Amino acid sequence: DGGITQSPKYLFRKEGQNVTLSCEQNLNHDAMYWYRQDPGQGLRLIYYSQIVNDFQKGDIAEGYSVSREKKESFPLTVTSAQKNPTAFYLCATHSLQGYTEAFFGQGTRLTVV
Amino acid sequence: GQSLEQPSEVTAVEGAIVQINCTYQTSGFYGLSWYQQHDGGAPTFLSYNALDGLEETGRFSSFLSRSDSYGYLLLQELQMKDSASYFCAVRDHNAGNMLTFGGGTRLMVKP
Repeated sequence: DGGITQSPKYLFRKEGQNVTLSCEQNLNHDAMYWYRQDPGQGLRLIYYSQIVNDFQKGDIAEGYSVSREKKESFPLTVTSAQKNPTAFYLCATHSLQGYTEAFFGQGTRLTVV
Repeated sequence: GQSLEQPSEVTAVEGAIVQINCTYQTSGFYGLSWYQQHDGGAPTFLSYNALDGLEETGRFSSFLSRSDSYGYLLLQELQMKDSASYFCAVRDHNAGNMLTFGGGTRLMVKP
């Protein structure tokens, strides 16, 4: 089935650790995004990429890093520099050909322990 | 840059009609869309408007006025399962076709 997959669904991080969240899509879409969502809040953009080996910082990129080595994959690393990483992380993708809907992964809930 | 404004919360009773407004600012407007998100879930696409007017999909309709930089989502015959957050979003030609979301409107449907 075509779609977008995030893993893991739940992730626990110790203070000072880096963790990587996976996002894979087989929709052949160019655009991919990472959003952070805190309880009862909206979607805040972390990073955006529309082409392999290129990405742009969003509103809250500090403490996060990404790579786009393949069109299908856009992993997000939450570094130890992110002081308050506990949140719900969502990956999204859409085609840049015409206007199409965006598809979201199921999300990763990250908790610092 | 782009910015979108929508009310933070709306409450309505089952069976009623509710309208969620969205105003936007963007230099290269390329469509207004709406997404629904239930608690703990991922947003899912509801509708899209590129041209002025009303688009109807079952109980949900979406309206756009490009001259007013304004749109709304209309939900009719509200059901309890419609309790969710609703986000408007725009794409911008001048920002690499980036999709930008509003802050979301939390809809609570009461019996």
